[in-house]
Amino acid sequence: EAQVTQNPRYLITVTGKKLTVTCSQNMNHEYMSWYRQDPGLGLRQIYYSMNVEVTDKGDVPEGYKVSRKEKRNFPLILESPSPNQTSLYFCASSPQTTGPYEQYFGPGTRLTVT
Amino acid sequence: KQEVTQIPAALSVPEGENLVLNCSFTDSAIYNLQWFRQDPGKGLTSLLLIQSSQREQTSGRLNASLDKSSGRSTLYIAASQPGDSATYLCAPSPTSGTYKYIFGTGTRLKVLA
Repeated sequence: EAQVTQNPRYLITVTGKKLTVTCSQNMNHEYMSWYRQDPGLGLRQIYYSMNVEVTDKGDVPEGYKVSRKEKRNFPLILESPSPNQTSLYFCASSPQTTGPYEQYFGPGTRLTVT
Repeated sequence: KQEVTQIPAALSVPEGENLVLNCSFTDSAIYNLQWFRQDPGKGLTSLLLIQSSQREQTSGRLNASLDKSSGRSTLYIAASQPGDSATYLCAPSPTSGTYKYIFGTGTRLKVLA
């Protein structure tokens, strides 16, 4: 089954404790992206990747890191989480040959930083 | 920078009504526009994708239109049902020269039985 998976689905952590949220897709998509969703602010893009070893900032990249060493995986790293990073996070992927195509979303990761 | 607005922000209708959700965007140089549905606390489900060369796309009771030149898309839901209650989001594709996605803040729909 074609899908985008995220792990963990729920995470409660403390300020400053490094964490990684994994994202994997099995559709051989070039484009992958991370979003956060907050009440009243909607979905905002954190980082995206056009292909292996090619990443760029979205609208809200501060406090996050990403890497794209393999085509299927795009982990989101919070080196020193803070309470303002408490949010619902989504990973998405899209085939990207001659232009942007349909985005497929993962189920989301609910992160709470205390 | 692309800006996306969805009107209305919230909508409550009795079951059976036909309704229209609106999405407007400021940069018309898009490749496509995608409509999503999101249930509370859940992920996004893709409903329809309209390519820039199309004017309409239909799936069951849903019909989406796209007018690139005026920066507008509408999602028409026929014969609404309580199961349609959700938040509906639109996302125009990145425009030429950028690969960033900008989402609207959504329309929260409640269909009353």
